[in-house]
Amino acid sequence: GAVVSQHPSRVICKSGTSVKIECRSLDFQATTMFWYRQFPKQSLMLMATSNEGSKATYEQGVEKDKFLINHASLTLSTLTVTSAHPEDSSFYICSAPTGSINEKLFFGSGTQLSVL
Amino acid sequence: DAKTTQPNSMESNEEEPVHLPCNHSTISGTDYIHWYRQLPSQGPEYVIHGLTSNVNNRMASLAIAEDRKSSTLILHRATLRDAAVYYCILRDQAGTALIFGKGTTLSVSS
Repeated sequence: GAVVSQHPSRVICKSGTSVKIECRSLDFQATTMFWYRQFPKQSLMLMATSNEGSKATYEQGVEKDKFLINHASLTLSTLTVTSAHPEDSSFYICSAPTGSINEKLFFGSGTQLSVL
Repeated sequence: DAKTTQPNSMESNEEEPVHLPCNHSTISGTDYIHWYRQLPSQGPEYVIHGLTSNVNNRMASLAIAEDRKSSTLILHRATLRDAAVYYCILRDQAGTALIFGKGTTLSVSS
């Protein structure tokens, strides 16, 4: 079945640095990918929709200059957290649909970001 | 988006069946009913989905009410590994993101 690979699984960085998270669709092409953020004991919150070859669409309240999304190919989307601060510490998860309304969506295993 | 309502938490014993309810009274005719679960520190995992008819797969069964205003996820024999947060989500268009509610936290005791 379709698999979504997400790396790294865990990253610790200093405040002010940037962190890049990769999301790959391993055996299918994904023109769209979704990025979520999840704080402890809370549900997943949709941050943005990544579109291959065009600009990402951000949800209300998500800073596009802080969370840079690049979808350069049909199998890779990246999320870069720029100038990270402790409040950006969270669990980041990507997801990719295969394009059919009658489909199951696949999720990456998540990236736990800790900003010191 | 049509919303769903689930109990915050449920408990079960190992080897017993579990029925997880979901209410979606404002569901539209084109909404698919999806169930995903999330184990601690992992991304969500697909469980099952359906439109009108009941569905069965290796993991679970999905029972959909005739008026489609509610559904029930059935785990036939709960195991400790089934302890997770279960999300019931409606989706009406291809290519759209899943919008997660709070889900039901299922605890399984041995």
